[in-house]
Amino acid sequence: DTGVSQDPRHKITKRGQNVTFRCDPISEHNRLYWYRQTLGQGPEFLTYFQNEAQLEKSRLLSDRFSAERPKGSFSTLEIQRTEQGDSAMYLCASSLADGRSFRNTIYFGEGSWLTVV
Amino acid sequence: KNEVEQSPQNLTAQEGEFITINCSYSVGISALHWLQQHPGGGIVSLFMLSSGKKKHGRLIATINIQEKHSSLHITASHPRDSAVYICAVPSGVTSGSRLTFGEGTQLTVNP
Repeated sequence: DTGVSQDPRHKITKRGQNVTFRCDPISEHNRLYWYRQTLGQGPEFLTYFQNEAQLEKSRLLSDRFSAERPKGSFSTLEIQRTEQGDSAMYLCASSLADGRSFRNTIYFGEGSWLTVV
Repeated sequence: KNEVEQSPQNLTAQEGEFITINCSYSVGISALHWLQQHPGGGIVSLFMLSSGKKKHGRLIATINIQEKHSSLHITASHPRDSAVYICAVPSGVTSGSRLTFGEGTQLTVNP
């Protein structure tokens, strides 16, 4: 297993365009997370899935953002009508959750950098 | 006040020095993560601890649940230790459903 993979690693787009990021988690992991990170800040939570169910969404996730995990494996994060404020790194992470999920190691991808010009 | 606060924000050291990074949190937790982020973005989990102390090579992490404080120590620091170190605590609607991160400590170790 090669860990958590994200694609593309870098994306430059014009304001108003739509972009989609893909995350492939570690294969047996049932939890998948999306975070956003801007320069000099720690990551901020966007949303997470347990299997195919999206269980929590941050208020940061506006109507222009949508995330899916259709078969409980890979996930996509789409941003519609991008704005310059969307420029950030979008991080995906996965974990294997059990009853004491706060004790599980979380594995992060390398991130997808988005620049909106 | 942020839920997770780290200090210092920036730290420059000479190779071989002993490094300490502190993390304080305001939410009730049972475990805390220390993470390392290198330029380019990738985040690596260093420790997850719920009590006492853990050691891995030159890295030592301690936590005091009652005082809501954790420290990350690096002994005999080396330039390759230069990175951002982030502490994070589980939070969310369901227990541990997500992590709340500190802003990170940028460590630079000079040769």
